[in-house]
Order: sequence, then structure tokens, then C-alpha cells
Amino acid sequence: DTGVSQDPRHKITKRGQNVTFRCDPISEHNRLYWYRQTLGQGPEFLTYFQNEAQLEKSRLLSDRFSAERPKGSFSTLEIQRTEQGDSAMYLCASSPLGRRGEGYTFGSGTRLTVV
Amino acid sequence: AQTVTQSQPEMSVQEAETVTLSCTYDTSENNYYLFWYKQPPSRQMILVIRQEAYKQQNATENRFSVNFQKAAKSFSLKISDSQLGDTAMYFCACTRGSTLGRLYFGRGTQLTVWP
Repeated sequence: DTGVSQDPRHKITKRGQNVTFRCDPISEHNRLYWYRQTLGQGPEFLTYFQNEAQLEKSRLLSDRFSAERPKGSFSTLEIQRTEQGDSAMYLCASSPLGRRGEGYTFGSGTRLTVV
Repeated sequence: AQTVTQSQPEMSVQEAETVTLSCTYDTSENNYYLFWYKQPPSRQMILVIRQEAYKQQNATENRFSVNFQKAAKSFSLKISDSQLGDTAMYFCACTRGSTLGRLYFGRGTQLTVWP
């Protein structure tokens, strides 16, 4: 297992377009998290899944944002009608359930630029 | 809501010297997890060290150690024998409770190690 993978690494889109990001967690990790990070700030929580169930959503996750993890493996984060304020790094992380001492593993992120 | 505060936006240290990064947090929980993550310019978040709140012994990982003061809600990171490769943004993070759900991050401290 090569860790948490995110695709694409970079995305440039025009304002108003829809974008979708993908995250492949470590295979045996039950939990998957999405964070958003703007320049010079710490990551802000968006949502997380345990298997295919979405357990928590931040108020940051407006109705233009939707996340899925249909089979409890990879996850997608979609942003509809993108705005310039959506420009950020979108980070995915995963963690095992039960082996809490292992903590979280992060992916390299998807950098979104809305022009 | 939980908050994590890193009061030092930037720190610098000479190679081979020791530096301490500070972190305070606010939680009403009795048991929780604390983490320090390193984010070099490549942007991937890397776990440096973790601490479980019910364990009184301070965690250590090679050149990295923490000073965990539960009553004061303080969790500082000491880096000994600093190396050029330690140059990165460092984030302090905390869970809400004893399960690995969402993480609350501080705003980060940019550490520069100079020769």
C-alpha cells in the first residue's frame, strides 16, 4: 500500500464550473476525512466517513459541496458552481478504526485554482 | 468548539541547536489525542509525534519530544539537534475525544533551520 492518493494534484477551473476530486485511502482504513487548507492557514475540517457512512459535516460544506464514499473505499468531493473563494488545497486523510494509536495518514492534496 | 492556538507564526533556529514550538488547546474532554504534523513545501502532512491525553509520560520520537501539561492544556514540541530538513510548517492538532474523528488544527508555525 502506497499511502493515501489524491487525484488530480492540481486543477485550474473557470468560475461557475463543477470540479470533482478523488481520494484513495489506505486500504484497511475505515475512516476517511476531507479538509480544506488556504495559504498560511491550518487545515479546516470539511467532512468524514466511516466506511460508506458520512458521520459528520462541517458548516463549511455548503450546498455546493458534496462528498461520497459509495463502497467504503475511495471517496469523491465535488464542488458545483465554483467560486474564487473555493481556491485552496483540498486534503484527504484516512485512519484505522480501533487502532487509534496509528493516527491519521494524509495525502498530498489537490490544489484548486478558480479563475 | 475546540480551539488550538499556536502563538508563534514563525521561528528560526541554527542547525544543531534546539527549538521549542508552543501549542495550547481548549477542550472539555478528559481523554483525547494530540498531534504535531510537519508540512514541508511539498505540502504532504507528515506525522511527527502523537500523545494520548491519559498518558502522563511525554512522548518522544528520536530528536522530537513533547512537553505535555494537561492541566494547563499545553502541548509544546521540542526539536533537538535541528537539521536543515526540519524546515517546514508545523501544525499542532487535537481530536475532540478519545476516538479518531475530526482533527482541530492550529494555524501553524513556520520553522526555518539555517546553516
